[in-house]
Amino acid sequence: GAGVSQSPSNKVTEKGKDVELRCDPISGHTALYWYRQSLGQGLEFLIYFQGNSAPDKSGLPSDRFSAERTGGSVSTLTIQRTQQEDSAVYLCASPIRQGEGYTFGSGTRLTVV
Amino acid sequence: SQQGEEDPQALSIQEGENATMNCSYKTSINNLQWYRQNSGRGLVHLILIRSNEREKHSGRLRVTLDTSKKSSSLLITASRAADTASYFCATDSFFFGNEKLTFGTGTRLTIIP
Repeated sequence: GAGVSQSPSNKVTEKGKDVELRCDPISGHTALYWYRQSLGQGLEFLIYFQGNSAPDKSGLPSDRFSAERTGGSVSTLTIQRTQQEDSAVYLCASPIRQGEGYTFGSGTRLTVV
Repeated sequence: SQQGEEDPQALSIQEGENATMNCSYKTSINNLQWYRQNSGRGLVHLILIRSNEREKHSGRLRVTLDTSKKSSSLLITASRAADTASYFCATDSFFFGNEKLTFGTGTRLTIIP
């Protein structure tokens, strides 16, 4: 597609449940980022995929967080045993063109109750 | 951790006035980008300035970059109510062959009609 699509738009889950967030990046773009934004805060880097290279997972806050990217396109961010502090907006980004900035999806607002 | 720090954290001005936001960063960069965020969801790319550039214009936007001071400023001229949003700077750096985009904490701009 022409833009970055994320689903679901909103997700409310009970503490302890697992959730999956999906990102469908710009078609043909090999790089993909996941960020997290807590209420009123800046963006926190989570993970970066670039082509067939090993992903940069240095931003994942705990081993409850994992992400994969199948076939070099769609990415899924999984949070296991969700906690209330996981509540945030999760944003996915794909480069517009190499070195020309990034296009962001509209995000998934996750609320853990 | 946040690479960039925006200043001020919040800014309120009258419509028609100019708005200036500043960003400081810590490490070497390839380029610096500014983004706008409305309603806490997806970010919109505004402008990118490369490390070998000192000033760049795009419509009512003017960005400066001082790599010796590791700082940038975003000027919005003749502000409009629609400019009300949060503005983030992001630095693009290469670490161990991976491109990494790191965001600041943002400036909340309110334009008073």
